[in-house]
Amino acid sequence: EPEVTQTPSHQVTQMGQEVILRCVPISNHLYFYWYRQILGQKVEFLVSFYNNEISEKSEIFDDQFSVERPDGSNFTLKIRSTKLEDSAMYFCASSDNRAEQYFGPGTRLTVT
Amino acid sequence: QQQVKQSPQSLIVQKGGIPIINCAYENTAFDYFPWYQQFPGKGPALLIAIRPDVSEKKEGRFTISFNKSAKQFSLHIMDSQPGDSATYFCAASSSGTYKYIFGTGTRLKVLA
Repeated sequence: EPEVTQTPSHQVTQMGQEVILRCVPISNHLYFYWYRQILGQKVEFLVSFYNNEISEKSEIFDDQFSVERPDGSNFTLKIRSTKLEDSAMYFCASSDNRAEQYFGPGTRLTVT
Repeated sequence: QQQVKQSPQSLIVQKGGIPIINCAYENTAFDYFPWYQQFPGKGPALLIAIRPDVSEKKEGRFTISFNKSAKQFSLHIMDSQPGDSATYFCAASSSGTYKYIFGTGTRLKVLA
């Protein structure tokens, strides 16, 4: 069964450093998303991406964040200058319509 | 108005019991309501979803009941098993947007 994959599974970085989280969505899907989940809290929407551009973003997704689909298979989330409060699980999701979204296993980002 | 309120926060049932998790929303533009199951350290996995044109949907041991006038929906797990022990999230989205709004999650424990 096709699935969304994410790398790395765990990333530790120092405050102020740039990180890139990578995702490989399900191959025939057209819509891509990033969500985050701070430990013990609910999953929060960050950004959606369709047709090579951002469709929608939340207030969390400020100028420190960017997304890119550098080739036909990868979808990346970049955080330019990480803060302590960026520590969370980051989930990539994809869908072939706007309804059913399939989530990857997540990247645990720890900012020290 | 964008919130989805989920209860209870945690739930313990005996094997074979029927745990019920409830969600409520305010935004009448929401027209798609999925439920996700999340095991520790894993991404949310889509369980079952419903649209407001039906009042109930069953898939295996999982049933969603939907009350459009009350703006509430609930997940029932029939014949619950210890392997169902996980955190369950309800979510909502509308056709005009790409994002899910998640509930706060319910941690379910099914005792053997």
